[in-house]
Amino acid sequence: AQSVTQPDIHITVSEGASLELRCNYSYGATPYLFWYVQSPGQGLQLLLKYFSGDTLVQGIKGFEAEFKRSQSSFNLRKPSVHWSDAAEYFCAVGAASTDKLIFGTGTRLQVFP
Amino acid sequence: NAGVTQTPKFQVLKTGQSMTLQCAQDMNHEYMSWYRQDPGMGLRLIHYSVGAGITDQGEVPNGYNVSRSTTEDFPLRLLSAAPSQTSVYFCASSTRVDGYTFGSGTRLTVV
Repeated sequence: AQSVTQPDIHITVSEGASLELRCNYSYGATPYLFWYVQSPGQGLQLLLKYFSGDTLVQGIKGFEAEFKRSQSSFNLRKPSVHWSDAAEYFCAVGAASTDKLIFGTGTRLQVFP
Repeated sequence: NAGVTQTPKFQVLKTGQSMTLQCAQDMNHEYMSWYRQDPGMGLRLIHYSVGAGITDQGEVPNGYNVSRSTTEDFPLRLLSAAPSQTSVYFCASSTRVDGYTFGSGTRLTVV
């Protein structure tokens, strides 16, 4: 069965610092992987996605993620965090055949000035 | 191009009442899903559809029904509301290769 683990419930960083949010998945075949961001009271916005090919994918707002098959990971990174990046971040894995999307429990990012 | 439209945005129900959450998309997407979001639990899949006339259960389907008579619409029905169904509900649609586009959500409170 598909599953997604985001081990960090809450992360706090200073503005300008680098960021890495962890995501581990369980899936029997090559997964479709996604990162979404949710600001308070809002819906979810797609940051980036991985389907195949280059394992380092670039997304919006300066984010990138690296797919590592050997570690079953898809960690999200940003070199320099801005105060506006404070939000909740969700990793998700999709099934190629049905497009059913399973989410992790999320990581809440807090940014200090 | 409105994307994914959910109505209503807010709803309060009494225990035992029924209601339908509406979801419509204008992007001609094949795939549509309903999720509920609860604190500390992320988004959990309720039901999903891979095309008109085809639906299937997700992780937490009990107490909910869906139908997909057209490509555009995917309503979620609460048969007999319970306090445990207090949540924020999101509808989403996808073309598989683009990732899901989410609606703005419906905040439901069952008292």
